[in-house]
Amino acid sequence: GAVVSQHPSWVICKSGTSVKIECRSLDFQATTMFWYRQFPKQSLMLMATSNEGSKATYEQGVEKDKFLINHASLTLSTLTVTSAHPEDSSFYICSARVKGEWADTQYFGPGTRLTVL
Amino acid sequence: DQQVKQNSPSLSVQEGRISILNCDYTNSMFDYFLWYKKYPAEGPTFLISISSIKDKNEDGRFTVFLNKSAKHLSLHIVPSQPGDSAVYFCAASHSGNTGKLIFGQGTTLQVKP
Repeated sequence: GAVVSQHPSWVICKSGTSVKIECRSLDFQATTMFWYRQFPKQSLMLMATSNEGSKATYEQGVEKDKFLINHASLTLSTLTVTSAHPEDSSFYICSARVKGEWADTQYFGPGTRLTVL
Repeated sequence: DQQVKQNSPSLSVQEGRISILNCDYTNSMFDYFLWYKKYPAEGPTFLISISSIKDKNEDGRFTVFLNKSAKHLSLHIVPSQPGDSAVYFCAASHSGNTGKLIFGQGTTLQVKP
C-alpha cells in the first residue's frame, strides 16, 4: 500500500523558534500532498495543498508566511512553522494523494506533535 | 458551515455485534466518500471508499452504504472486534476540487469484549 512517513514524530521548541516537519511518500511519487492540523478532540483541518514544483495553496485563515510549505520533489514536502508560539502547538498531519480509478485517495502520515513552550 | 457531519460523537458496541457509523453531508457536488480510522497520536488510516455512482462497497468486515437522495452514508463493521476501537472519520470530496477532503468531526467507537 501507499506509505507516508513524517519526521519528527514529536518536537518541543521554545517560543520564537522555527520548526521544520518533513513528509515523505515512501513507495510512490506524490505530485500533491496536503497538510492538516488537529486540535484535541476535533476534526482534521486542512491547512494547505502542496504541489510539486509550484507554490502551495493555503486555506482561508492560514498564514502562508507563518506556515511555509516546500514541495521540491515528488516524494518530499516540508512544513516549516516560523516563529512558533504556544498557540501553534498542535498535531500536524500530512497526506499524499494517490490517483485511483474513480477518484483520488489520500494516505496519511503518522503525524507530528508540536509543543511550543 | 459543516459540510460533512457525524452527529454521534461516540458509539459503544459489544464484540461480535455490528457497528454502524453514520455520516451526513450537505454539498451535492461531493462524488467520492471515504472512511478513515484513527488512533490517538497517529495519522488516519484509510479503510474504505465509495464513488457516487455506487450505493454499496464491501471490503471484508467493512461495508459502506451511500444514499445520495438522503445525502447520507454509513459504515458497517461486522463482526466488531475490540481492535476496532478508535475514532472513525468520514470524508468527502468532489472531482472538481483538486482532491481536497472535507472531514466530519469523527465518531469514537468502543468495542467491548
